[in-house]
Amino acid sequence: QLQLQESGPGLVKPSETLSLTCTVSGDSISSSPYYWGWIRQPPGKGLEWIGSVPYSGRTYYKLSLKSRVTISVDTSMNQFSLNLNSVTAADTAVYYCARHGGAPGDPRKFDYWGHGTLVTVSS
Amino acid sequence: DIQMTQSPSSLSASVGDRVTITCQASQDISNYLNWYQQKPGKAPKLLISDASNLETGVPSRFSGSGSGTDFTFTISSLQPEDIATYYCQQYDNLFSFGGGTKVEIK
Repeated sequence: QLQLQESGPGLVKPSETLSLTCTVSGDSISSSPYYWGWIRQPPGKGLEWIGSVPYSGRTYYKLSLKSRVTISVDTSMNQFSLNLNSVTAADTAVYYCARHGGAPGDPRKFDYWGHGTLVTVSS
Repeated sequence: DIQMTQSPSSLSASVGDRVTITCQASQDISNYLNWYQQKPGKAPKLLISDASNLETGVPSRFSGSGSGTDFTFTISSLQPEDIATYYCQQYDNLFSFGGGTKVEIK
């Protein structure tokens, strides 16, 4: 059974970089043609896709976050990571990692999710 | 960005009632739409993909329909365990989610 687990600091200071890692177990992150994504949810609000990365190939980001976001894969550790720089209080959210399909004709559905981790931006 | 507008934002219904949620896309997305259920403190759970395909293990009281810009999600007979917030999500152009519909028991 595929499992995803987020990890990283729960508190980040304004203007600093938020860094999270998602560890994948139960399958190889190199299993083509899946993509590995990050989604966040501010307290009491809706879901916002941040970006997705394949194990090899182009990474996609939400346009409004693109200048601040980097998502990368470490196949040796079976992990993928999120870096979001210059954070403000508006970046306070539960951050989820998730998997979605990527092959032509595949529905791009987020079928496996981590439990989520709350990151608070505050001094 | 493709905007996804869900309505209503919340609803209250009785056990056994038929519940309908709508999702409207700001442009034609064909059938590239998924529906998720999120219970408090939990990650979203995929219920329906490609607008109308029920995921394995999801009860048949859940259904979805629509194409183009207008989509509908239905619970045919509301059960207590269906209390949750429901989200639509498009994948025609990158990804975006609707604002969510909170379903409560009357």
